[in-house]
Amino acid sequence: SQQGEEDPQALSIQEGENATMNCSYKTSINNLQWYRQNSGRGLVHLILIRSNEREKHSGRLRVTLDTSKKSSSLLITASRAADTASYFCATKEGGSYIPTFGRGTSLIVHP
Amino acid sequence: NAGVTQTPKFQVLKTGQSMTLQCAQDMNHEYMSWYRQDPGMGLRLIHYSVGAGITDQGEVPNGYNVSRSTTEDFPLRLLSAAPSQTSVYFCASRPTGYTEAFFGQGTRLTVV
Repeated sequence: SQQGEEDPQALSIQEGENATMNCSYKTSINNLQWYRQNSGRGLVHLILIRSNEREKHSGRLRVTLDTSKKSSSLLITASRAADTASYFCATKEGGSYIPTFGRGTSLIVHP
Repeated sequence: NAGVTQTPKFQVLKTGQSMTLQCAQDMNHEYMSWYRQDPGMGLRLIHYSVGAGITDQGEVPNGYNVSRSTTEDFPLRLLSAAPSQTSVYFCASRPTGYTEAFFGQGTRLTVV
C-alpha cells in the first residue's frame, strides 16, 4: 500500500498566492522527496529532505518535515500559472531500495 | 544525455495479447523500477531491480514480468493483457544512495 498520502487532493489558487500541500506517511523513513508532474509527462524531482532535517529551501519551494507527526509540507511561494501540475511526495523506508509514492495533489494556478 | 527512454509512447492491445514495454537509461544507474499510474491511485510499484540480473516484486506485480540482463535496459512484459492493465506506465532509474529518481515520459496503454 502507498506510504505517503497528500492533502488536499486538489488545490486551486490565483497567481501570486502561496500554495501549501501536505504529506503524511506511516512508518519511519530515511528521506522524503517531492516530485512534480506536468500533464502527460513523467515525474520530475523537486527536493529531498532527510529524516534528520526539519526544513529545506530551494528557490520558491520550502519543505518541512516533522518526523514525530510523520508529516511533511511543501510550500510554493508566489505561485505562477506555470506551477500548475500534480505534486507527489515519495518516502523511502530504511532498508528499502525504491521510494513509494502518494496519490498526489493537483494544483491549478489561475493567471 | 537521453536520460530514461520509454517506448512506445502509446499502445492499444486486445485482451489476451502480449507485449513488452521498453525502458532504457544511459546514466549507468543501478536501480530501475516500473510504476503504473491510475486516476486517483497515484503511482504503484510493479517491479524493480537493484542491478543487472536482480529483480524483485513491488506492490502490484501480477500479470507482469521483468528481467534485467544489462544495466541499461529494464523491459516490462505483459503476458496476457487484460482491461485492468489499462494505465499509464512509468519507468524510473536512480543511482545508489539518497538521490532522486529519474522518470521516463511514460507509456499510455489501453487494453480493449
